[in-house]
Amino acid sequence: DTAVSQTPKYLVTQMGNDKSIKCEQNLGHDTMYWYKQDSKKFLKIMFSYNNKELIINETVPNRFSPKSPDKAHLNLHINSLELGDSAVYFCASSPQGDIQYFGAGTRLSVL
Amino acid sequence: QKEVEQNSGPLSVPEGAIASLNCTYSDRGSQSFFWYRQYSGKSPELIMFIYSNGDKEDGRFTAQLNKASQYVSLLIRDSQPSDSATYLCAVIGGGSSGSARQLTFGSGTQLTVLP
Repeated sequence: DTAVSQTPKYLVTQMGNDKSIKCEQNLGHDTMYWYKQDSKKFLKIMFSYNNKELIINETVPNRFSPKSPDKAHLNLHINSLELGDSAVYFCASSPQGDIQYFGAGTRLSVL
Repeated sequence: QKEVEQNSGPLSVPEGAIASLNCTYSDRGSQSFFWYRQYSGKSPELIMFIYSNGDKEDGRFTAQLNKASQYVSLLIRDSQPSDSATYLCAVIGGGSSGSARQLTFGSGTQLTVLP
């Protein structure tokens, strides 16, 4: 059973489109995260939710909007996609905001 | 700005040797320290965590923490070709706010173990 699952695994789209990435965890964790990993492999946090409440919101363009319908799900919606949004996006979850477990990642390519 | 610094490498060691990976961090109040391994095209996988000064051993892996020097390292004994990956150091800073408890990653060290 996959603990943290993301869909889709690959996403290829045109500039200006709107897209969503979904994340679900079946570990019963309270905290979920979105990270962006750029081409230089630098992993940077974007958002964190604890029990559906936003607790971390880093300097991210407001074209990115997270949504947490329940504590097992944290989705990421991106409006008006730009070339610079091309990256791998990882979802993660944590039981107490400490050790984090990562999903397989979504490779986004904006053409 | 909290920073975590790692040598990007690449670091090459022969099979069976000890690989030593180093990391420094800027937030003196940092409390929790992690090493993640990331194979190419895969997600980060936690391999070690350490909270207290000193050494912590788990199989072929040893994490070492020196809070006074703001330094954390990972030793991999009897390195195997399957250990070839990027190793990410990550730190949770001090403080109690949500932002302060976020995980800050270094840029990673690419390790290659040569057969």
